Formats: sequence, structure tokens, C-alpha cells
Amino acid sequence: NAGVTQTPKFRVLKTGQSMTLLCAQDMNHEYMYWYRQDPGMGLRLIHYSVGEGTTAKGEVPDGYNVSRLKKQNFLLGLESAAPSQTSVYFCASSYPEGRPTYEQYFGPGTRLTVT
Amino acid sequence: KQEVTQIPAALSVPEGENLVLNCSFTDSAIYNLQWFRQDPGKGLTSLLLIQSSQREQTSGRLNASLDKSSGRSTLYIAASQPGDSATYLCAACFTGGFKTIFGAGTRLFVKA
Repeated sequence: NAGVTQTPKFRVLKTGQSMTLLCAQDMNHEYMYWYRQDPGMGLRLIHYSVGEGTTAKGEVPDGYNVSRLKKQNFLLGLESAAPSQTSVYFCASSYPEGRPTYEQYFGPGTRLTVT
Repeated sequence: KQEVTQIPAALSVPEGENLVLNCSFTDSAIYNLQWFRQDPGKGLTSLLLIQSSQREQTSGRLNASLDKSSGRSTLYIAASQPGDSATYLCAACFTGGFKTIFGAGTRLFVKA
């Protein structure tokens, strides 16, 4: 049982490049989330999904897109990276079917630098 | 606007001391409150989850309380150890189950 995994762990992009971050969970959770963490600002929700095939905007969605084609995977895309997107990105999941405690489980994070 | 605030931002204590970390939230329509630990460069580890119908939860040397009416939660750490040094984050999950707001965290340093 790996929990929540994220790929890659580190990435450096040049301004304007694109990339996709992959999040996978093996706990059969319904909800999945993407957060970014910046110094002094805590974690902020980018996008979330309440089930396979659904996505919704969080607090800071601009410049990001997401997809949830399979229940266990949640992808975060940056179409044209900007230096302001330099951050640590965390994926989380919650809500095992039939047990709505909404306790969130986090992945190890992806450290992204945009130059 | 729903907000979560943690005070203090940083705390340094000698080993063995009991300590309290504070978390306040602005909306009483809370579904649950979760406390996390984050070590430098690492992800978040869940410590305790308190449902809105509960007043406290305990795990080992940790005890978390929730007072919805006053919009406050506290994390009590008994007999602190150097290994407790980390950043502690609280997160309030509001009605709907998917809107979670995080505090900025309290950075704890326990001196040996």
C-alpha cells in the first residue's frame, strides 16, 4: 500500500515550457486535490476532484489545468510555465467510499523551479 | 472569507516541556479539523483529525481539542522531545467536505 505518490520529485522548467505532474493513490479515495505551498503562505488549493471524470477550481487555479480520467490518478498541467509558479506542489486524497471522514492523505511533494 | 490562523508562527522550548499550539478559524460551519506535521523538505503527515461532533482526540503524547463556538483548536504536546521539532499545520475542512483551508503553520524547535 503506497498511499499517495507523486511524479516527478523535482523539476526545473524554463519560462514558457509545459509539464504535467502525476499523482496516484491506491486507497480507493473519491476526492483528490492539488495544493501549492509557498513560504509564509501555507498550502493553497489549486484544483480538486470529487470523483472520476470531475474537476473543479480551488483558490488559485489560474495557469493550471487538471484531469481525472481514472479514479486513482489526478494530473496537474502547466501549459506555459511562469516564474510565479515556482513552488512545492502537493497532491492529497480523501473520502474512501462509504467513510466520509474527509481525512486527507498527502504525497511527498514535487519541487518545481521555473527560471 | 474563511480563514485559518496559527499562533505563534515559531516556538522554541526546552526538552521535556509541555506546550500548546493554537489554531483559530473564522467560520463555525466546520466539518472537521486536522492537525499535520511537516518536516523540512517533506510532505505532510496527519497527526489527528477531529470531527465537528467531537471535542477532542488523543494520540500518544498529543491531544487536540476543538471548540466550534469560539472558532478555536489547540494541539497539546506533552513532554516534548527534540524529535518533535517540525512545522505543525492545522487545516479546517468546511461544509461540503472538499474545501479545506490551511493555516500557515507553527515552526516548533525543541532544544535538547
